[in-house]
Amino acid sequence: AQSVTQPDIHITVSEGASLELRCNYSYGATPYLFWYVQSPGQGLQLLLKYFSGDTLVQGIKGFEAEFKRSQSSFNLRKPSVHWSDAAEYFCAVGAIDVGNDMRFGAGTRLTVKP
Amino acid sequence: KAGVTQTPRYLIKTRGQQVTLSCSPISGHRSVSWYQQTPGQGLQFLFEYFSETQRNKGNFPGRFSGRQFSNSRSEMNVSTLELGDSALYLCASSLAGGMGYTFGSGTRLTVV
Repeated sequence: AQSVTQPDIHITVSEGASLELRCNYSYGATPYLFWYVQSPGQGLQLLLKYFSGDTLVQGIKGFEAEFKRSQSSFNLRKPSVHWSDAAEYFCAVGAIDVGNDMRFGAGTRLTVKP
Repeated sequence: KAGVTQTPRYLIKTRGQQVTLSCSPISGHRSVSWYQQTPGQGLQFLFEYFSETQRNKGNFPGRFSGRQFSNSRSEMNVSTLELGDSALYLCASSLAGGMGYTFGSGTRLTVV
């Protein structure tokens, strides 16, 4: 079965600084990869997804992620963080066979300093 | 178009009781998945339904069950509630499953 590791439980960045959240996955075939964001007490919102093709994926809210097969990574980046980006971020990997078994990482909580 | 709707938003139940949570997917979405989110265990996959059939199930005891109706609406049921069942239960829908889901706001279940 597929699995996801997010090495950083909590990250603090200053507003305006760049951001990179790490994600490593394990899956035997080509994965479907996702980044979701969750604000307190809310559901998850899809930021971006990778299925195939261009390994640099653009998402909403100015986020992008790069798929690196050799490193089994799918790191999320943003060039300039805004205070409203403070939230919890989840990386997920989906199976491409029958049925859904999307597995999530433990999440990275982002704090933005003014 | 309307998003994924989960009802109720909040629920308080007593240990030993049972509970039913409801999820209405986005119109046209045939795949519905359920997740349990807790601070200790994170997001854990419960099960997925597609066209009224359970296609996949996570590692939860048989007290957790679900179903999907012909209009794609889904319910999950938890019987004989335990304190550890307190969690945010998230429903998500997709056109086909496995390719990215739209999540509802969740049902916050508290077992006392």
